[in-house]
Amino acid sequence: AQKVTQAQTEISVVEKEDVTLDCVYETRDTTYYLFWYKQPPSGELVFLIRRNSFDEQNEISGRYSWNFQKSTSSFNFTITASQVVDSAVYFCALSSNTGNQFYFGTGTSLTVIP
Amino acid sequence: DTAVSQTPKYLVTQMGNDKSIKCEQNLGHDTMYWYKQDSKKFLKIMFSYNNKELIINETVPNRFSPKSPDKAHLNLHINSLELGDSAVYFCASSRGSLDSSSYEQYFGPGTRLTVT
Repeated sequence: AQKVTQAQTEISVVEKEDVTLDCVYETRDTTYYLFWYKQPPSGELVFLIRRNSFDEQNEISGRYSWNFQKSTSSFNFTITASQVVDSAVYFCALSSNTGNQFYFGTGTSLTVIP
Repeated sequence: DTAVSQTPKYLVTQMGNDKSIKCEQNLGHDTMYWYKQDSKKFLKIMFSYNNKELIINETVPNRFSPKSPDKAHLNLHINSLELGDSAVYFCASSRGSLDSSSYEQYFGPGTRLTVT
């Protein structure tokens, strides 16, 4: 079975703090893809990053970084020096080549307090 | 330019009615999708469609049907609307065809459907 778990339902941090959003996935496929999306209060869904199962290299994009560890089936997302504009719901998602299915986690609502 | 657009943005209707939501993408993508997001923000894929294959999530009632006049459009038609259909519906698109699951999706702004 395919599944994505985001155990943190809501997180609040004070501006400039670092915050890590956890994502744990389950899949039996050897080839799969992991994604993060951001949904700000305005409601649209914005793509942040894609990772395939063969690329465990961590990635940094400005204040955002992602840590992919196959050994723990995790794909965590860290925001450094958080800003109020980072306040949003963040979704982790999983897909595989079999069945063209996508599985989203339940999302983590991040509030950055000024 | 809007990449993925949906109309209408808001839709309020009564139980039992039939309604459609339109979606258009100008990204040249081969695959389009419909998602339902409930009041708890849970996102669930309903359909994925390209010119070769329609994949339906088995939990979607057959009152919901996707209709694609061409590669750039995937409309969602809903028959006999029920209270439980109230949600935000998102259209999305991605590159690829049979391998579309390997690519990121680009989402429309969403349509908030309220059934009274």
